[in-house]
Amino acid sequence: AQSVTQLGSHVSVSEGALVLLRCNYSSSVPPYLFWYVQYPNQGLQLLLKYTSAATLVKGINGFEAEFKKSETSFHLTKPSAHMSDAAEYFCAVSHNAGNMLTFGGGTRLMVKP
Amino acid sequence: DADVTQTPRNRITKTGKRIMLECSQTKGHDRMYWYRQDPGLGLRLIYYSFDVKDINKGEISDGYSVSRQAQAKFSLSLESAIPNQTALYFCATSAVAGRRTDTQYFGPGTRLTVL
Repeated sequence: AQSVTQLGSHVSVSEGALVLLRCNYSSSVPPYLFWYVQYPNQGLQLLLKYTSAATLVKGINGFEAEFKKSETSFHLTKPSAHMSDAAEYFCAVSHNAGNMLTFGGGTRLMVKP
Repeated sequence: DADVTQTPRNRITKTGKRIMLECSQTKGHDRMYWYRQDPGLGLRLIYYSFDVKDINKGEISDGYSVSRQAQAKFSLSLESAIPNQTALYFCATSAVAGRRTDTQYFGPGTRLTVL
């Protein structure tokens, strides 16, 4: 069975500060992991995904995530937050069958000027 | 134009009413999904369809039904709406390959309120 835990339902950072959003997973098979972002009044869009090709994955808008098998983690980072990064972020793990996803509860990122 | 569209975008209804949410896509994908989003719970899968003749229940299908009218259209129905079905509903699609690494593409969502 697969599950995803996102620590911190709300994270607040100042503009220009480091962004760190945490994601831990549980999977009975080698995991494939995704980060999606949801801007206000919009659907989810893919930020980046881990497909086992490389443990450090770079995504759009300056975000990246590192897959750490020993820690069962896939934390999302960005060196310098921008006001436009304010959104809700979801971590997800792909099931063994087809490509259904199990999502974490989401983390709402707030960026203070 | 958006690749995945959902109608309506907002709907307020009363308990016991039948409601249909519609999803259309122009991506040419075979696989389509319906999710609901609740605060703190993320997205949970309601139904999914791998092609027109293949429809499957997801994690939380009770109280919902679906219809895959064509490759491009996938509708979600609430036969008798109840207040705890108040949520944000998303349709998504993915490519026919069905690999675990395939990206899902989401519509803009339908906000449903059941009074």
